Amino acid sequence: EAGVAQSPRYKIIEKRQSVAFWCNPISGHATLYWYQQILGQGPKLLIQFQNNGVVDDSQLPKDRFSAERLKGVDSTLKIQPAKLEDSAVYLCASSQTSGESFGTQYFGPGTRLTVL
Amino acid sequence: QQQVKQSPQSLIVQKGGISIINCAYENTAFDYFPWYQQFPGKGPALLIAIRPDVSEKKEGRFTISFNKSAKQFSLHIMDSQPGDSATYFCAASNRGSTLGRLYFGRGTQLTVWP
Repeated sequence: EAGVAQSPRYKIIEKRQSVAFWCNPISGHATLYWYQQILGQGPKLLIQFQNNGVVDDSQLPKDRFSAERLKGVDSTLKIQPAKLEDSAVYLCASSQTSGESFGTQYFGPGTRLTVL
Repeated sequence: QQQVKQSPQSLIVQKGGISIINCAYENTAFDYFPWYQQFPGKGPALLIAIRPDVSEKKEGRFTISFNKSAKQFSLHIMDSQPGDSATYFCAASNRGSTLGRLYFGRGTQLTVWP
């Protein structure tokens, strides 16, 4: 079973530039999450999708961050414009909504963003 | 507000020793408590998880102890090995209300000396 795929793995941009991250979840997983992990901290949820609808975006800085999940599969997370404090690893995770593995989130390798 | 508090921040253990990481939570609605292991440059990977209807769960060298009344749970790694050196995160969720949103602790960086 293929895992969660993310790209790019690394990105370096200057502040005020834009950047986009892509995620392809595990096949059949209806729920998709984007997390921000700042160095030395645990992952913090940014947004959660159920199929192509948003379940929770209470922690998403909506003035600069946006995310979409068209057709309920792949997802993109965008930052525009980026700030220095956005430097972090952006993790995508997916999970099933029922069954034995309900509640287990499977994470991708992450995208390490550096804002200069 | 930190929903899950984790300690210690870092831990150094000799090979063959026992590593113990502790977590505490406040929300009594949480009903799922996983531990994730993360190696540098990788995403977190589920290590072991417990539900509040049991007090202990063991998988190989890894054991979760759960104290519902104290709202605490801990990870014990027996016979710690250098390959266990990683960052460990505890987490908690209320799977029924928010479709499995996980609240993570801040992490414990474990180093096992050979």
